[in-house]
Amino acid sequence: GQQVQQSPASLVLQEGENAELQCNFSSTATRLQWFYQHPGGRLVSLFYNPSGTKHTGRLTSTTVTNERRSSLHISSSQTTDSGTYFCAIDDDTNAYKVIFGKGTHLHVLP
Amino acid sequence: EAAVTQSPRSKVAVTGGKVTLSCHQTNNHDYMYWYRQDTGHGLRLIHYSYVADSTEKGDIPDGYKASRPSQENFSLILELASLSQTAVYFCASLGEERNTLYFGAGTRLSVL
Repeated sequence: GQQVQQSPASLVLQEGENAELQCNFSSTATRLQWFYQHPGGRLVSLFYNPSGTKHTGRLTSTTVTNERRSSLHISSSQTTDSGTYFCAIDDDTNAYKVIFGKGTHLHVLP
Repeated sequence: EAAVTQSPRSKVAVTGGKVTLSCHQTNNHDYMYWYRQDTGHGLRLIHYSYVADSTEKGDIPDGYKASRPSQENFSLILELASLSQTAVYFCASLGEERNTLYFGAGTRLSVL
């Protein structure tokens, strides 16, 4: 079945620095999403991005489908960006079975 | 805005007891999911459903049952709760119009 690897597992930044989060997957994905989770909180969708590049505010998601990878770029990080970022994709045998990576824990220092 | 409501928000259960976690969505979505979250494991899929009266096994179904009595409701049942089932449980529904999962706030379950 589909495997999802996220890196780095954790990241500490000084406020104002940029961050690059990676998601690699083992098989072709037709649904790829990035989520943000505040510590102990609800997961919020950031992007649905199965291919190409999408922007929203200081966030940019780039997915290269044939290379089975996606990235989430955070520019000019803020302390409020702290939390966990997850990549989620569909299973290679069932497009509606959505599985998650283990996440990247981001901590932005003031 | 899509809405997914979970109940209870937290629960303490005794080992060997029965636990039912409930999820209700008002999104008119066909697909619903149950995940558990543990430190170091991210979210792992337990069960999911694409239509009322039908459920599918996810990656870690052992020890859990699911029930989808209607499009709006999806329950997760622990018939004999065990210590290892202490975790935070999330319910979600899938909106095909935007290909986005919408999550509930989670249920924190402690089995003692």
